[in-house]
Amino acid sequence: QQQVKQSPQSLIVQKGGISIINCAYENTAFDYFPWYQQFPGKGPALLIAIRPDVSEKKEGRFTISFNKSAKQFSLHIMDSQPGDSATYFCAASPANFGNEKLTFGTGTRLTIIP
Amino acid sequence: NAGVTQTPKFRVLKTGQSMTLLCAQDMNHEYMYWYRQDPGMGLRLIHYSVGEGTTAKGEVPDGYNVSRLKKQNFLLGLESAAPSQTSVYFCASSYTAERLVFGAGTRLSVL
Repeated sequence: QQQVKQSPQSLIVQKGGISIINCAYENTAFDYFPWYQQFPGKGPALLIAIRPDVSEKKEGRFTISFNKSAKQFSLHIMDSQPGDSATYFCAASPANFGNEKLTFGTGTRLTIIP
Repeated sequence: NAGVTQTPKFRVLKTGQSMTLLCAQDMNHEYMYWYRQDPGMGLRLIHYSVGEGTTAKGEVPDGYNVSRLKKQNFLLGLESAAPSQTSVYFCASSYTAERLVFGAGTRLSVL
């Protein structure tokens, strides 16, 4: 059973546009929602994370929007650049647990075209 | 700082062969993890360790064994490799229950 559903599988956005990746979850015990960015040939790296006490978190051009009632969260990349081309993974874990309970989405391959 | 170092980077095995993947971290992290990454399936946890001398099973532990004899090292063993174990393997470590620091991965093919 996939606990975190991520969409789309792949996304092509023009330079300067907004990239939006969506994730939905089922487990209401989830309370930590990170996004990881992975460049080809590299391991994933933490990009930004949110907890459900806020509905939005912004770091530079990257924003997480969180909708607790809909059990959905999304990553928005403003003014997308070719250097943002990577695979993005959302994830979620429940309260009072560590990374051993972190469930990853299936990933979105983002391509930014000039 | 090297962070998390995985060796080897690439390996090709024949079915039934054994091998050990080595992970080393220089950040004094207590927690270490082994994941596998397969197309369309995201990252799945194989085994993890919450400290030197401890190991525990993750989501997909069958066919793998691990050891954490030293705090900085976490070894992943395949006793009898199968084609289903063809994957990219990532080691990660963390200081807290949050931010994971990943290595660059080991690409394994089992023929």
